[in-house]
Amino acid sequence: SQTIHQWPATLVQPVGSPLSLECTVEGTSNPNLYWYRQAAGRGLQLLFYSVGIGQISSEVPQNLSASRPQDRQFILSSKKLLLSDSGFYLCAWSAHGAAYNEQFFGPGTRLTVL
Amino acid sequence: KQEVTQIPAALSVPEGENLVLNCSFTDSAIYNLQWFRQDPGKGLTSLLLIQSSQREQTSGRLNASLDKSSGRSTLYIAASQPGDSATYLCAVSAGSYQLTFGKGTKLSVIP
Repeated sequence: SQTIHQWPATLVQPVGSPLSLECTVEGTSNPNLYWYRQAAGRGLQLLFYSVGIGQISSEVPQNLSASRPQDRQFILSSKKLLLSDSGFYLCAWSAHGAAYNEQFFGPGTRLTVL
Repeated sequence: KQEVTQIPAALSVPEGENLVLNCSFTDSAIYNLQWFRQDPGKGLTSLLLIQSSQREQTSGRLNASLDKSSGRSTLYIAASQPGDSATYLCAVSAGSYQLTFGKGTKLSVIP
């Protein structure tokens, strides 16, 4: 069966510091991978998705970037965090192929920027 | 632009009641609709996925229906239990990689 991991689970960072969140998927090959953000009082917002190694699409212009160095690894980064980057970050995967395949989510990372 | 609305925002029911959660979307050109459950501080658990060609899907005590032409879906929970307490989210796919989510309904089942 497939498993998705995210770490760290929680993170408190000062404004202006760098960020690296990691997501890995087990039990499947060549998945589509996604980064979402859930801010307080707002719905989930898709930030990035990837259909293969090195292929990243951005949905929202922002202070963040994503990379996919390996087939089942997806990384969310920032060089300098802003207060507005606080939120709950969720990684998800879907089977390779159709864009509308069912998506499965990880446990999330709670980021607080002070 | 697709918009997804979930009403009510919060719902409190006594244990054992049958209940219905509502989801509406503005653009009926969807490929599928997913219902998720989110426990506090946790990720999303996929409950049911309904393809646009389907009218309903069932899993245990859960039944989700879809009326694509009217832009509506309902999640029916039978014989509710305290363990069902969580936030329920619906999301639609219009064929792109992006899911459009509602803001959820927070359900509390009182023992």
